Amino acid sequence: AQKITQTQPGMFVQEKEAVTLDCTYDTSDPSYGLFWYKQPSSGEMIFLIYQGSYDQQNATEGRYSLNFQKARKSANLVISASQLGDSAMYFCAMREVNSGGSNYKLTFGKGTLLTVNP
Amino acid sequence: NAGVTQTPKFRILKIGQSMTLQCAQDMNHNYMYWYRQDPGMGLKLIYYSVGAGITDKGEVPNGYNVSRSTTEDFPLRLELAAPSQTSVYFCASSSPNYGYTFGSGTRLTVV
Repeated sequence: AQKITQTQPGMFVQEKEAVTLDCTYDTSDPSYGLFWYKQPSSGEMIFLIYQGSYDQQNATEGRYSLNFQKARKSANLVISASQLGDSAMYFCAMREVNSGGSNYKLTFGKGTLLTVNP
Repeated sequence: NAGVTQTPKFRILKIGQSMTLQCAQDMNHNYMYWYRQDPGMGLKLIYYSVGAGITDKGEVPNGYNVSRSTTEDFPLRLELAAPSQTSVYFCASSSPNYGYTFGSGTRLTVV
């Protein structure tokens, strides 16, 4: 079973509107972290936002917020007031900590290509 | 600038050739990783290291080798390059309480 599922291969949004990118995850570890990265056409991986499994509040970073629903195992990224520069590939990723506490690998979803239309 | 430095940025290899992708970080992170990203896909873990002298296989280790002689450096070795290894390779580092820092990537083509 996939650990990170992004069901939207592509999304379109009008400039200045909000958009939600979906991410569901699968883990049996009680301690984990969820990340969102942006990859523009230039190729670099840009960190956007992080949510820890024990965090009580949803994470926010500027125009980015994470809608964390632990019981549903979902961690959707919400981008408010979309800008043309938001057009990029977006990846959801999960960090699991193994029982020894020494494993911090990131597992990535397949990504969602967001296109912002003027 | 502090961060993760990968070299080279681009490389074309012939089938059967070997090469080493270099990765260095100056943040004193214990954890380092190599990922590959195939077109239109997410990143898949090749190898990772939790400290100098300690490495382990990730999801797709076949055809690759790594070493970690220092905290700073984590080179990835390709032996006998194959077309299936055409990909973009990312090196990353992290520490337990902080996020991950990615290098800018190496675009490798095997022809």
